[in-house]
Amino acid sequence: GAGVSQSPSNKVTEKGKDVELRCDPISGHTALYWYRQRLGQGLEFLIYFQGNSAPDKSGLPSDRFSAERTGESVSTLTIQRTQQEDSAVYLCASSLMGPTYSYNEQFFGPGTRLTVL
Amino acid sequence: TQLLEQSPQFLSIQEGENLTVYCNSSSVFSSLQWYRQEPGEGPVLLVTVVTGGEVKKLKRLTFQFGDARKDSSLHITAAQTGDTGLYLCAGNSGTYKYIFGTGTRLKVLA
Repeated sequence: GAGVSQSPSNKVTEKGKDVELRCDPISGHTALYWYRQRLGQGLEFLIYFQGNSAPDKSGLPSDRFSAERTGESVSTLTIQRTQQEDSAVYLCASSLMGPTYSYNEQFFGPGTRLTVL
Repeated sequence: TQLLEQSPQFLSIQEGENLTVYCNSSSVFSSLQWYRQEPGEGPVLLVTVVTGGEVKKLKRLTFQFGDARKDSSLHITAAQTGDTGLYLCAGNSGTYKYIFGTGTRLKVLA
């Protein structure tokens, strides 16, 4: 497909378990973002990748959260020892980063809905 | 910390009515984007505004960027049921980071 894909679409896990969320960006997009969206709320920035590097990890809520990107393509967001407050939709977006950030369009995937019981 | 407040938070109107939603901040942004998100999907970009005072029209949607580039509005004329969704504004200060607003959830009733 031509768009951003994420898997799984839904994940239900028990408190304390680890989860891994996957994002396949649009081919050729150098920038990749992860956001968290709690029920009925806006998007909370988690991490940004330029290529395979993550210059800004400041949005990660705690050291239980980590992310990596390989081959300037697939990215995984890992949450260790999940807590109930981690329940949310996790959205991934990719962008063809041009010379002016202002005009960049982020293309979003459908998200992964994480429920921690 | 840059914040974008959107109002109203929720809006329910009849088909054919007009509406305006607002996006406000105390910070100046280089650009501001509006997205629409439907249930179970990611947000989709509607427009980007970059110049203070700029007005852009997209069919029945009119977007305005404030003169001071701290606020923006989205006006919908003759709303249709297909306009239902979550409207998000996102500000950019010239870096890779986008600050998203709190969202306005619009429901248009037939």
